[in-house]
Amino acid sequence: KNQVEQSPQSLIILEGKNCTLQCNYTVSPFSNLRWYKQDTGRGPVSLTIMTFSENTKSNGRYTATLDADTKQSSLHITASQLSDSASYICVVSDNAGNNRKLIWGLGTSLAVNP
Amino acid sequence: DAGVTQSPTHLIKTRGQQVTLRCSPKSGHDTVSWYQQALGQGPQFIFQYYEEEERQRGNFPDRFSGHQFPNYSSELNVNALLLGDSALYLCASSSGHLSYEQYFGPGTRLTVT
Repeated sequence: KNQVEQSPQSLIILEGKNCTLQCNYTVSPFSNLRWYKQDTGRGPVSLTIMTFSENTKSNGRYTATLDADTKQSSLHITASQLSDSASYICVVSDNAGNNRKLIWGLGTSLAVNP
Repeated sequence: DAGVTQSPTHLIKTRGQQVTLRCSPKSGHDTVSWYQQALGQGPQFIFQYYEEEERQRGNFPDRFSGHQFPNYSSELNVNALLLGDSALYLCASSSGHLSYEQYFGPGTRLTVT
């Protein structure tokens, strides 16, 4: 069964600190993996998208890594800001032809405190 | 360049009623997908519309139906509302029904009392 699991479920850090969020998946065949940031009550916003051959991708203070062998991804946030408080969702796309699907994780809720 | 827009922003309905939510895709996009996101949960795929036809459907009952218009905008209809239908309904648009690059709207918050 295709699944995406994220950890931790929630995280509290102080402003200025770094943090790393984890995503493990069992999706086959794999096509790509993306990280979304979702503010409360708002639609998700794409941070990064990575294909099988990509190991690292950065978007400002956000850096995503992908290990396709172990089926793990991480999202590292550097020098956190109060505005980073949000839910971060890992989404994996399969590559099943015309019926390709997006498999969503439940997200990690990040709170950045002053 | 207009992004994905949804209306209304918030909606309160009574159990048993029917509701229609609307979505206009990002300029240049022709595919619309609908998601239901309960509080504290990830988005659950409802269905996708492309060329005015439902192309894929998630595990949702027939009470959930949709439509896509020639201008690519879309509606989500939910009949016989249940308390459990209370959620944030998200619309995402893309260029082509096989594209993975989806842009999400701000969502419609539906509360069923």
